[in-house]
Amino acid sequence: NAGVTQTPKFQVLKTGQSMTLQCAQDMNHNSMYWYRQDPGMGLRLIYYSASEGTTDKGEVPNGYNVSRLNKREFSLRLESAAPSQTSVYFCASSESLAGPDTQYFGPGTRLTVL
Amino acid sequence: KNQVEQSPQSLIILEGKNCTLQCNYTVSPFSNLRWYKQDTGRGPVSLTIMTFSENTKSNGRYTATLDADTKQSSLHITASQLSDSASYICVVSTGGFKTIFGAGTRLFVKA
Repeated sequence: NAGVTQTPKFQVLKTGQSMTLQCAQDMNHNSMYWYRQDPGMGLRLIYYSASEGTTDKGEVPNGYNVSRLNKREFSLRLESAAPSQTSVYFCASSESLAGPDTQYFGPGTRLTVL
Repeated sequence: KNQVEQSPQSLIILEGKNCTLQCNYTVSPFSNLRWYKQDTGRGPVSLTIMTFSENTKSNGRYTATLDADTKQSSLHITASQLSDSASYICVVSTGGFKTIFGAGTRLFVKA
């Protein structure tokens, strides 16, 4: 079991470039999430997918889009990267959205936008 | 405003010593509180989850407590090891997807 995997691990973009962050989980979880982590701040939810076929905005969705490709995969797209999107991005999954289910996190993608 | 505040911001202790990390929250409604450990350069890993009716939960040398009346939680680490050096994050959920993460306490364990 690999758990939650993310690619790439590191990325440097120029302002205005686009890219897609990939995430996959092999735990047969229904719910998946994208967070960003900035220095001195708690993780903030960008988008989530309660189940296959659904996606919803979280706390900080502006500048991002997501796709729940299938039950395993949940991608995050930056259409036109901005320096404010420099951050560490974490994907997570859980069995369901409701209740005290443990969220399992990937290793993160460190993104720098110049 | 829903907030989760953790203290101290950072802490240095000697190997073998105990320590306690604090978490105060003003989140409502309350569903559950979780503590995560995040090693440098890695994703957070769950240590404990507590619902409203639970006031203590242990995971090996980690013991979390919850006082829902005062909206406070603590994470006690017993007999610290070098591998305990990490950030510890308190997370409060209002239910569903809505979770509020604290900024974390950075723990350094020295030999």
